[in-house]
Amino acid sequence: GENVEQHPSTLSVQEGDSAVIKCTYSDSASNYFPWYKQELGKRPQLIIDIRSNVGEKKDQRIAVTLNKTAKHFSLHITETQPEDSAVYFCAATRGAQKLVFGQGTRLTINP
Amino acid sequence: SQTIHQWPATLVQPVGSPLSLECTVEGTSNPNLYWYRQAAGRGLQLLFYSVGIGQISSEVPQNLSASRPQDRQFILSSKKLLLSDSGFYLCASKRPSTDTQYFGPGTRLTVL
Repeated sequence: GENVEQHPSTLSVQEGDSAVIKCTYSDSASNYFPWYKQELGKRPQLIIDIRSNVGEKKDQRIAVTLNKTAKHFSLHITETQPEDSAVYFCAATRGAQKLVFGQGTRLTINP
Repeated sequence: SQTIHQWPATLVQPVGSPLSLECTVEGTSNPNLYWYRQAAGRGLQLLFYSVGIGQISSEVPQNLSASRPQDRQFILSSKKLLLSDSGFYLCASKRPSTDTQYFGPGTRLTVL
């Protein structure tokens, strides 16, 4: 079945710098890749997603890139701000109904 | 847009007691519904999902069960809780023919 590996598990960056989180997946049939942000004690919230027919998608300071050949996708956050501090999860589809999640990355933005 | 409710928000239960967590969805019909568990500081583990009333798929063998008595209601149950059942339980909903899952606010369960 689908397996999603996420790195790094923790990431600390200075405010204003960029952060990159990477995920790899195993199932070549996966065709949808969402990213969720989870603040402490809250629900995961979708921040950006990408489909397999697109190589890159951008929404203000957040972008996601997908390399289907290598089976990896990445989240890029530019000009980081303290409110970007959270745990980020990547995911990939498994079949038509399910998502498989990465283990999460705890991002800390240092002022 | 869809709205997902979960009840209760927090729960403290003794080992061996029963459990019932409820999830209801507004704003969509015939959603796919999911139960996830998140242990402290950990990732999201899919427990059950349902594509329709009375249709339940179990992902992990355990002492939990799920039911879907109505189109937009999903219930997670246990007859006897274990210490290892503690965690943050999240319900998620996906509209038919779409890919995106949206999460409810969660129930924080502590088993003592």
